[in-house]
Amino acid sequence: NAGVTQTPKFRVLKTGQSMTLLCAQDMNHEYMYWYRQDPGMGLRLIHYSVGEGTTAKGEVPDGYNVSRLKKQNFLLGLESAAPSQTSVYFCASSSSGTSEKLFFGSGTQLSVL
Amino acid sequence: KQEVTQIPAALSVPEGENLVLNCSFTDSAIYNLQWFRQDPGKGLTSLLLIQSSQREQTSGRLNASLDKSSGRSTLYIAASQPGDSATYLCAVTGGGNKLTFGTGTQLKVEL
Repeated sequence: NAGVTQTPKFRVLKTGQSMTLLCAQDMNHEYMYWYRQDPGMGLRLIHYSVGEGTTAKGEVPDGYNVSRLKKQNFLLGLESAAPSQTSVYFCASSSSGTSEKLFFGSGTQLSVL
Repeated sequence: KQEVTQIPAALSVPEGENLVLNCSFTDSAIYNLQWFRQDPGKGLTSLLLIQSSQREQTSGRLNASLDKSSGRSTLYIAASQPGDSATYLCAVTGGGNKLTFGTGTQLKVEL
């Protein structure tokens, strides 16, 4: 029962470095999401995908890019990391958008120095 | 812009107590409301999903109610246990299928 798996769990970057966060789900879900969670601000949507090969911007997309080449995978990229991107990143998936329950991964703690 | 508020931010209760967590939202035009549980260092687990046409949902010791017209939802936890200690978040789905989260209530159930 893997569900939604995120890698890595922790990462420290220097300003200007790049990295990719991987999200994989084994539930055959169409919808996948990337959120960031910051203290006192709740979860905010970065990007999402409604199916293989599609992506769309969320509430806070600047500085991030995403790709959904395979249905089960959703990648989040930071091209040039900034300290403001220090956060906990969560991936989620659902079968049919927000009308159904969302399933979350365990998160990636990212620190940008 | 939809805003979701959860008060209190933190709550400590003795084991066995029945308790209510509150969630309020500013725009009543929602499709559904979800309650999530988040354990430290972990992701969110969906507990209950209430569609806008429903008034409540129950799962075990949990009961969530929704009053869309007043912009309020409550999560009732019966006979609380130390294992219930976690942060509870609510989220509403509004226009454009946008999901807006509250900042959560951190619950501690003490022995």
